[in-house]
Amino acid sequence: SQQGEEDPQALSIQEGENATMNCSYKTSINNLQWYRQNSGRGLVHLILIRSNEREKHSGRLRVTLDTSKKSSSLLITASRAADTASYFCATDDTGFQKLVFGTGTRLLVSP
Amino acid sequence: SAVISQKPSRDICQRGTSLTIQCQVDSQVTMMFWYRQQPGQSLTLIATANQGSEATYESGFVIDKFPISRPNLTFSTLTVSNMSPEDSSIYLCSVVSSSGLDYEQYFGPGTRLTVT
Repeated sequence: SQQGEEDPQALSIQEGENATMNCSYKTSINNLQWYRQNSGRGLVHLILIRSNEREKHSGRLRVTLDTSKKSSSLLITASRAADTASYFCATDDTGFQKLVFGTGTRLLVSP
Repeated sequence: SAVISQKPSRDICQRGTSLTIQCQVDSQVTMMFWYRQQPGQSLTLIATANQGSEATYESGFVIDKFPISRPNLTFSTLTVSNMSPEDSSIYLCSVVSSSGLDYEQYFGPGTRLTVT
């Protein structure tokens, strides 16, 4: 499997601002997921969007998926210092729940 | 949901030795995976741990280097054999919990391995 690309690699914003991260992938997918990782620790599942969905919301998170462009975006609205983490997209190419992770975006939210 | 624990949480090992990492889940799960995260990098899938049969390895990973056991539906081990400094990484196990058409993968806290 080929790893997806995320941009930006790093993003620095102030509390209250919105943060947008983009993910591009290379193959057809069953679904795309976003994860958060704090300081090299375990990952936390944020949201899953299926290949036949275009947009999904969860609290302050909004995810879009464009399968024609093989891309997705994660929007975090009204960011907080606690949102500081690395964010990864991951695609399930095979349907067997084996994930291919993107390169990640490091988000820093300053108070 | 699933709660996953891993042992050890971190270790420093000498090259040429082996380390076995344990992954314990608080409920029975069908799918269990092992991932590696090299320093500053993203996660790469090592293998699927199959209960009652050999693990299924991804391209670039072999059983001799990363033997895996899965004796039951709540436990698995990953051994990193004949270690070299290039094996310094965080190793994470994950399990899948399904809910209808969607599912979530839950990740353990990881084992941070440093090989000197």
